[in-house]
Amino acid sequence: NAGVTQTPKFQVLKTGQSMTLQCAQDMNHEYMSWYRQDPGMGLRLIHYSVGAGITDQGEVPNGYNVSRSTTEDFPLRLLSAAPSQTSVYFCASSTRLEPDTQYFGPGTRLTVL
Amino acid sequence: TQLLEQSPQFLSIQEGENLTVYCNSSSVFSSLQWYRQEPGEGPVLLVTVVTGGEVKKLKRLTFQFGDARKDSSLHITAAQPGDTGLYLCAALSNDYKLSFGAGTTVTVRA
Repeated sequence: NAGVTQTPKFQVLKTGQSMTLQCAQDMNHEYMSWYRQDPGMGLRLIHYSVGAGITDQGEVPNGYNVSRSTTEDFPLRLLSAAPSQTSVYFCASSTRLEPDTQYFGPGTRLTVL
Repeated sequence: TQLLEQSPQFLSIQEGENLTVYCNSSSVFSSLQWYRQEPGEGPVLLVTVVTGGEVKKLKRLTFQFGDARKDSSLHITAAQPGDTGLYLCAALSNDYKLSFGAGTTVTVRA
């Protein structure tokens, strides 16, 4: 199993550009989540999904969209990038029975100029 | 305001010394997790504590859940350079959202 994979590893955007961060898992996990990590603030939940076709907002959802058309994939879309979205983004997945045991991807480091 | 408060924020010690990291909240949790994150990687789950007063050991790491299930501690005995990393506590809310503390950066000098 590859676990949780994320692409790209690094990305630089200009203010106003849009892009999609990809996340995929091959563990048949029902739950998937997106977090951003900023210095001194830990990980903050952006959006999460408890199954295909179901998504909900986390703590910091503004400026981001998600969809969950399949169990495996959970892309995160930045609609119009802003410098405040410069961060490291992590995707995670877990089973419905153990939602607190999350498996994280390697992260995407995003810089918005 | 963070749901989970971790202290200290930074900890730098010499190899062989002991250290303790704390995770506190005013909320009661059904379980609490500790993760370790190394530079350039995602967090990796170390342990989940469930019962108030529970103590779990993972080699030189000892995790304790407070009796009231509001706080937890991580103690490392005879720290080694391989213990260097960011230690994060996390807890699940009733709506299945996982909240993280801000983390403690531990540096163990050889």
